[in-house]
Amino acid sequence: LAKTTQPISMDSYEGQEVNITCSHNNIATNDYITWYQQFPSQGPRFIIQGYKTKVTNEVASLFIPADRKSSTLSLPRVSLSDTAVYYCLVGVGNTGKLIFGQGTTLQVKP
Amino acid sequence: DTAVSQTPKYLVTQMGNDKSIKCEQNLGHDTMYWYKQDSKKFLKIMFSYNNKELIINETVPNRFSPKSPDKAHLNLHINSLELGDSAVYFCASSQDRGGKGNYGYTFGSGTRLTVV
Repeated sequence: LAKTTQPISMDSYEGQEVNITCSHNNIATNDYITWYQQFPSQGPRFIIQGYKTKVTNEVASLFIPADRKSSTLSLPRVSLSDTAVYYCLVGVGNTGKLIFGQGTTLQVKP
Repeated sequence: DTAVSQTPKYLVTQMGNDKSIKCEQNLGHDTMYWYKQDSKKFLKIMFSYNNKELIINETVPNRFSPKSPDKAHLNLHINSLELGDSAVYFCASSQDRGGKGNYGYTFGSGTRLTVV
């Protein structure tokens, strides 16, 4: 079963742009790519979802190349409150299953 | 007015005991899930129910048994608890069967189970 992989951790400073990439080389043809944010002692929370090209909402942008084998979550001008774990979620192959990446712990410093 | 609520939030129990975790959603979603998050923060699906019907049953020991009395509730019963069952268990719901639709899953705040 192909993996969904993300960096384990990233550090940033307030006001910077942060890009987190997820590799999913066996993504299912018809499935979306979804990103979630998780704070300590809370459940994951939906951030953004896309199928291809670029999607932008009030909190983030999602960049998906034409082959869809990876995706990049972009957080503009992060603040301390963006310190959290970020997960990508994709459908894998023909299994019909959705697989979470292992999560990227983002630490934003003052 | 919590969308997906699960109880208890913390559960400490001894090996060999039987315990239950309850989950309720008020979003009108048809599909509900149980996820397990281990100490390394991996999120792995355990079960999924669509309108009271079991649709996903991952490789989970028989000691774990989900029950869905109606589409708004999905409870998890665990028999003969073991040390390795210690984890955070999340309930979730979605509008569609696979969590693939707009806004994906809505998660509860989790139940931290500690087996001693």
